[in-house]
Amino acid sequence: KNEVEQSPQNLTAQEGEFITINCSYSVGISALHWLQQHPGGGIVSLFMLSSGKKKHGRLIATINIQEKHSSLHITASHPRDSAVYICAVSSYATDKLIFGTGTRLQVFP
Amino acid sequence: DAGVIQSPRHEVTEMGQEVTLRCKPISGHNSLFWYRQTMMRGLELLIYFNNNVPIDDSGMPEDRFSAKMPNASFSTLKIQPSEPRDSAVYFCASSLRVGQEDNQPQHFGDGTRLSIL
Repeated sequence: KNEVEQSPQNLTAQEGEFITINCSYSVGISALHWLQQHPGGGIVSLFMLSSGKKKHGRLIATINIQEKHSSLHITASHPRDSAVYICAVSSYATDKLIFGTGTRLQVFP
Repeated sequence: DAGVIQSPRHEVTEMGQEVTLRCKPISGHNSLFWYRQTMMRGLELLIYFNNNVPIDDSGMPEDRFSAKMPNASFSTLKIQPSEPRDSAVYFCASSLRVGQEDNQPQHFGDGTRLSIL
């Protein structure tokens, strides 16, 4: 069993829809990261959080430490949101990231 | 601000050849990471440095892989001899580590797409 599990693996949506991507982990963490990777492109860090909720534009990330679960929400989705979204966790005492397998999102106009 | 700079962007070479990937971290960052991304295995950490010292190289696949960080502004990942199964995208990332628990976001380079024929 992977230490970081994401769901769904693939997701398609119509422009304007509300999107949720889930991440569960089984190890003790100091922080959870959400990353975005466009096709053929580099990796961008969207959020790093250790508790509660963070918001940036149309993106919202939440984490429940007790349940070892995080969600990434996209409101009013747009075709430019099409990308792979990767959840990663960093352990106590190191910056070492453990990655989920990613969620491939396609938003159609 | 200049981000993490990797070179080359693309590399195509024949098996058995030596390959050297280069990374310049963001100025002031003290942690540097090398990752490999493949379709089969996703993103994997190969090695990371803190203050130029290798801290964890448990992800390095085998002795054919080596990494160095001679100073705070430069790191190399070398594969010798290269094999077709080394074909992947290799990312370098850097971050600023302050204290024991204060993790900061990692900033990724654009990656090097390596193809070994």
